[in-house]
Amino acid sequence: EAGVVQSPRYKIIEKKQPVAFWCNPISGHNTLYWYRQNLGQGPELLIRYENEEAVDDSQLPKDRFSAERLKGVDSTLKIQPAELGDSAVYLCASSLVGMNTGELFFGEGSRLTVL
Amino acid sequence: AQSVTQPDIHITVSEGASLELRCNYSYGATPYLFWYVQSPGQGLQLLLKYFSGDTLVQGIKGFEAEFKRSQSSFNLRKPSVHWSDAAEYFCAVAGTNAGKSTFGDGTTLTVKP
Repeated sequence: EAGVVQSPRYKIIEKKQPVAFWCNPISGHNTLYWYRQNLGQGPELLIRYENEEAVDDSQLPKDRFSAERLKGVDSTLKIQPAELGDSAVYLCASSLVGMNTGELFFGEGSRLTVL
Repeated sequence: AQSVTQPDIHITVSEGASLELRCNYSYGATPYLFWYVQSPGQGLQLLLKYFSGDTLVQGIKGFEAEFKRSQSSFNLRKPSVHWSDAAEYFCAVAGTNAGKSTFGDGTTLTVKP
C-alpha cells in the first residue's frame, strides 16, 4: 500500500515568490492534514480536511496561505507571497478518523527555504 | 485547549542502556495519546498509541508507554536502546474523535556506542 506522497521534497525560493505543495493521501483515508514543522519544534496544525470540507483552519494564516482538497482526495497548500518566516517543513498526513484510530500517517514532508 | 510538554529537549544514552522519555499532557477529558518517531529527513512514524483499557501499551521496535491519569503523563520506555533508535521523538494528544493531534516539541535521542 502506498503511503502519503508529497512533492516537492525541497523548495528554495526568494521572499515574495509564490510556492505550492502537493499531497496525495493514503487511498481511502477521509481526513487530510497539513502541518508546519519549524526547526526544533513539533508539527503545528495548519488545516484539517474531512473529505472535501476544511473543518479546522483556525491556524492557517489566511492572508497568504490557501489550501484546497478537490474531490476529497489530493490536496494543495499554497503560500503567496512567501516570507522569510515561512521557512519550515510542511508535512501532510492522512487518517481514518471516525474509526477510533486517530493514527496519523505522514508523508516525508516538503522543506521550504525562503531567501 | 489541549497541549503537550516534553521536558527533555535532548537525551543521550549508551547503547544497551534503558530509556525513558517524558511526556505530560493537558486535556479536559480522557485523551488519546500517541508517540511518534522521526528520523532525519523523514516524516513521523507511529510507535504506539493509547485510547482506553490497559494503561501500559506496547508498540513497535520494543517500545512501551504507560498512561498515568493522576500525573497527566504518558512516558515512553525501552529497556535496551539500539544505535538505530537515535531519532527525534514526539508525544501527541488528541481528543473526542481523535480528529486533531497536538504535538510536543520533541526529544532528540542520541545513542553513544
